[in-house]
Amino acid sequence: NAGVTQTPKFRVLKTGQSMTLLCAQDMNHEYMYWYRQDPGMGLRLIHYSVGEGTTAKGEVPDGYNVSRLKKQNFLLGLESAAPSQTSVYFCASSYLTSGSSYEQYFGPGTRLTVT
Amino acid sequence: AQSVTQLDSHVSVSEGTPVLLRCNYSSSYSPSLFWYVQHPNKGLQLLLKYTSAATLVKGINGFEAEFKKSETSFHLTKPSAHMSDAAEYFCVVSDRGFQKLVFGTGTRLLVSP
Repeated sequence: NAGVTQTPKFRVLKTGQSMTLLCAQDMNHEYMYWYRQDPGMGLRLIHYSVGEGTTAKGEVPDGYNVSRLKKQNFLLGLESAAPSQTSVYFCASSYLTSGSSYEQYFGPGTRLTVT
Repeated sequence: AQSVTQLDSHVSVSEGTPVLLRCNYSSSYSPSLFWYVQHPNKGLQLLLKYTSAATLVKGINGFEAEFKKSETSFHLTKPSAHMSDAAEYFCVVSDRGFQKLVFGTGTRLLVSP
């Protein structure tokens, strides 16, 4: 199993450009998440999905959109990139384990720079 | 709302000495607690998790953590540091019934020879 994969690994955008980050998981997980990681701030949840066709806002959703058309894929879109969106983006997935714990499995990250 | 506070942004130890990374949490419900590790330019890997079973939780690579409800703490320890332990460590809380995790701001562990 590849686990959670992210495409691309690195990207540089100019202000106002758009792009889509792709996350794929092969563990048949119901839940998927997008986080951003900024220095000194830990990981913050952007959007998440509890199943195919459903999405919900997290802590910092502004400027991002998401789609979950297939169970294994979760896309994060930036319609008009801004320098404040320079960050490392992590995708994660999870299922509900016995005992109600839900360990999340993380991808390797996408480093995005907006100039 | 749930939250975590990692009390040290950096911890420096010598190889072979004990490691203590401190974490306090706040949660309205019975929490699930996790420690994740992130090596430079890598994704996050689960070290260990607490889910209301044993309060002393053993994880990978010799790490363990103890859940103390009275102190609302979940400190991470290791008896003897190894150079390969140098990384950033995140304490994470999640309330029961929710799939959302809340991350601390991280503690960078530095290990010197």
